[in-house]
Amino acid sequence: TQLLEQSPQFLSIQEGENLTVYCNSSSVFSSLQWYRQEPGEGPVLLVTVVTGGEVKKLKRLTFQFGDARKDSSLHITAAQPGDTGLYLCAGHGSSNTGKLIFGQGTTLQVKP
Amino acid sequence: EAGVAQSPRYKIIEKRQSVAFWCNPISGHATLYWYQQILGQGPKLLIQFQNNGVVDDSQLPKDRFSAERLKGVDSTLKIQPAKLEDSAVYLCASSLGQGRWSTEAFFGQGTRLTVV
Repeated sequence: TQLLEQSPQFLSIQEGENLTVYCNSSSVFSSLQWYRQEPGEGPVLLVTVVTGGEVKKLKRLTFQFGDARKDSSLHITAAQPGDTGLYLCAGHGSSNTGKLIFGQGTTLQVKP
Repeated sequence: EAGVAQSPRYKIIEKRQSVAFWCNPISGHATLYWYQQILGQGPKLLIQFQNNGVVDDSQLPKDRFSAERLKGVDSTLKIQPAKLEDSAVYLCASSLGQGRWSTEAFFGQGTRLTVV
């Protein structure tokens, strides 16, 4: 069974601080995605990483996919209160069914 | 482009009652997912359809949960009978591709179920 483990599960920081969220697995994933979810809404895709070692930047967010395609990280620079939310990593398994599974999520609270 | 539509948004039922949720995915999306999400946790995949066939239902409690996707479009998820631990948000999502070549999953707003 493929599992994705996120850490930390909860993060409370002050505006302007930097943070990193990790997503780890013992299994290889064909791709990993990061989603952000706000209360009362469904998750919304931030980025998809496909190639081992890939780094993608989205404004103040930097996403990295591990060389072995088993882990990923999300780094936020100079966090703002608008970054508050639940961050989820998700992966399509390497089998042809492409089951999309999620990590348990990281709740981020950015205080002004 | 219309998004994923789910109904109802909220539902309160007593334990042992039955309930059904409906999902209309984005037009043309081959893959449809049903997830169960406990507050503050990541979504747990219940069932994944590819067109009108089931590709994974390994975490669906089949003694009480059932789902179907007629004609490869709309889908319904049913719980009968409901238990207190079924209280959660039920999310429906769809994606354009198939299998591990599926791309972005688009989510509906979910149905918040409370079992009392």
